[in-house]
Amino acid sequence: DVKVTQSSRYLVKRTGEKVFLECVQDMDHENMFWYRQDPGLGLRLIYFSYDVKMKEKGDIPEGYSVSREKKERFSLILESASTNQTSMYLCASRPRTSGSSTDTQYFGPGTRLTVL
Amino acid sequence: KQEVTQIPAALSVPEGENLVLNCSFTDSAIYNLQWFRQDPGKGLTSLLLIQSSQREQTSGRLNASLDKSSGRSTLYIAASQPGDSATYLCAVRRMGETSGSRLTFGEGTQLTVNP
Repeated sequence: DVKVTQSSRYLVKRTGEKVFLECVQDMDHENMFWYRQDPGLGLRLIYFSYDVKMKEKGDIPEGYSVSREKKERFSLILESASTNQTSMYLCASRPRTSGSSTDTQYFGPGTRLTVL
Repeated sequence: KQEVTQIPAALSVPEGENLVLNCSFTDSAIYNLQWFRQDPGKGLTSLLLIQSSQREQTSGRLNASLDKSSGRSTLYIAASQPGDSATYLCAVRRMGETSGSRLTFGEGTQLTVNP
């Protein structure tokens, strides 16, 4: 079974702190993604990466950065946390496109971040 | 810009009923469509993936269909059980993008199956 793990289930931080959210996948997937999920706004893509050291902005990258130094690990960084970044953060991974059912995207359990 | 709509937003049914969840998308040039389940406070679990060349996929009591030309997909759940209670999301992936192309998600249907 594919496993995507996230470093914390719940996190509470103060405004202005630098926050690191870690995501690790064990299936050698090329693609990794960070989303945030908010009531009424659904899932929104923050950043994604299609290879080591490669990254692309999603729909809402402002206030975030990412790092992918190793294939299995994709980190989301909040440079200076703000209260409007309180949200559920979901990491996902997906293999390189093959045109088959293995194109499935897999999600981690989520990190509920509260910024006070 | 691709838009994905799921109707209804919420559905409550008695146990044992067969039910259909709907998903529509505005741009029919899709690569595939995926249905997910999300339990409260948890991540998303993949249920079914349908490639654009396919008409349907089945897994146990679940059957997903795809009509690309009309921009619609349905998720059929047979003999529903209380354990099926969750939010169901559909997501489409556009044709012609890079390997790392994004999914566009609907807002989900919140399903409650009452014992």
